[in-house]
Amino acid sequence: DQQVKQNSPSLSVQEGRISILNCDYTNSMFDYFLWYKKYPAEGPTFLISISSIKDKNEDGRFTVFLNKSAKHLSLHIVPSQPGDSAVYFCAASERGNTPLVFGKGTRLSVIA
Amino acid sequence: NAGVMQNPRHLVRRRGQEARLRCSPMKGHSHVYWYRQLPEEGLKFMVYLQKENIIDESGMPKERFSAEFPKEGPSILRIQQVVRGDSAAYFCASSPGQGAKFFGPGTRLTVL
Repeated sequence: DQQVKQNSPSLSVQEGRISILNCDYTNSMFDYFLWYKKYPAEGPTFLISISSIKDKNEDGRFTVFLNKSAKHLSLHIVPSQPGDSAVYFCAASERGNTPLVFGKGTRLSVIA
Repeated sequence: NAGVMQNPRHLVRRRGQEARLRCSPMKGHSHVYWYRQLPEEGLKFMVYLQKENIIDESGMPKERFSAEFPKEGPSILRIQQVVRGDSAAYFCASSPGQGAKFFGPGTRLTVL
């Protein structure tokens, strides 16, 4: 039973436009959410996180939105750049230092 | 400030041999997590350790797999009598406690 779901395996966006990656979760005990970016043959790189007491967190071109009632979060990248092309993983945990539960990832391709 | 270190980066073993994967956490981090990624899948939690203690091993297969994080030295993930199904990328992450986990580059295990 997947507790964290990324229903879009892939997404293509033109350079300069907005990329929106979505993630749904089923465990209402999750209270900390993260996004990671992964290039082939490398480990995941932490991008941005949000705790359940907030509904938005912004860091440069990256913004994460959390809708607790819908158990949904999204990552917005604007403007998208070719270097953003990678696999993006959504992850969640019940408390800050418990293991992360990952989605299967969304492959983002930013086309120049 | 070095990131999470993992070695070896690539490991080839024949069926029945032992595989030892090492992870040195970031300086100041006392929490270590091991994850496994199968092809086209997300990262699956295996085990969570603090110095000299296993905190959560709910994701570890019951047989052949073990992990340790001694007082001195790196964390070790040990796989005995490897089988082809053990072929995967194994990632280690560390954290100081609450908050984001930072991942190493991974060890790619190939079982012939």
